Amino acid sequence: KAGVTQTPRYLIKTRGQQVTLSCSPISGHRSVSWYQQTPGQGLQFLFEYFSETQRNKGNFPGRFSGRQFSNSRSEMNVSTLELGDSALYLCASSPGDVNTEAFFGQGTRLTVV
Amino acid sequence: GEDVEQSLFLSVREGDSSVINCTYTDSSSTYLYWYKQEPGAGLQLLTYIFSNMDMKQDQRLTVLLNKKDKHLSLRIADTQTGDSAIYFCAESIQGNTGKLIFGQGTTLQVKP
Repeated sequence: KAGVTQTPRYLIKTRGQQVTLSCSPISGHRSVSWYQQTPGQGLQFLFEYFSETQRNKGNFPGRFSGRQFSNSRSEMNVSTLELGDSALYLCASSPGDVNTEAFFGQGTRLTVV
Repeated sequence: GEDVEQSLFLSVREGDSSVINCTYTDSSSTYLYWYKQEPGAGLQLLTYIFSNMDMKQDQRLTVLLNKKDKHLSLRIADTQTGDSAIYFCAESIQGNTGKLIFGQGTTLQVKP
């Protein structure tokens, strides 16, 4: 069974640009959650998508958005990038109905210069 | 409120047991998790425990949960150098959602 796949693994962007990250969950899983990991703030929850609907949202500005497709693949978008958006972005896949196990991808390392 | 606290660093000798501690604040937590992160990698799920359990054992790993004190611990028996990593505890507050609240992570250093 394939694991959680995040693409790309590394990105370098310039301030003011926008970026789209992708996450393919484990086959059969319907929930995808996104997290931001930085040395200063640790792991912070961004949002969760379940059956193409945002089910939960963290405390991030509106520049951070996401969506989920009918095949459960999810994308997150960050617009008007700031230096502080440099982070490891992780997505987690879980069945969704009863949240027992959440499996993470390898992450996308975003550097904003 | 939602808050998870961990000590930041633990150093042990190879072959010893390691105990990593975690406290959480939300009494409605349903599942509590332990993840491992190696340098440059994502999070690896080690084990999890349902909030109505006191203990769970899985090979070298033992999880103890004291729900009254909101205290969770992870014991690694016969710690190996390959266990050196950052360990995160996390709570899932609303059982049917994918929102996990993480602690700051405990860096485990295993000396040969």
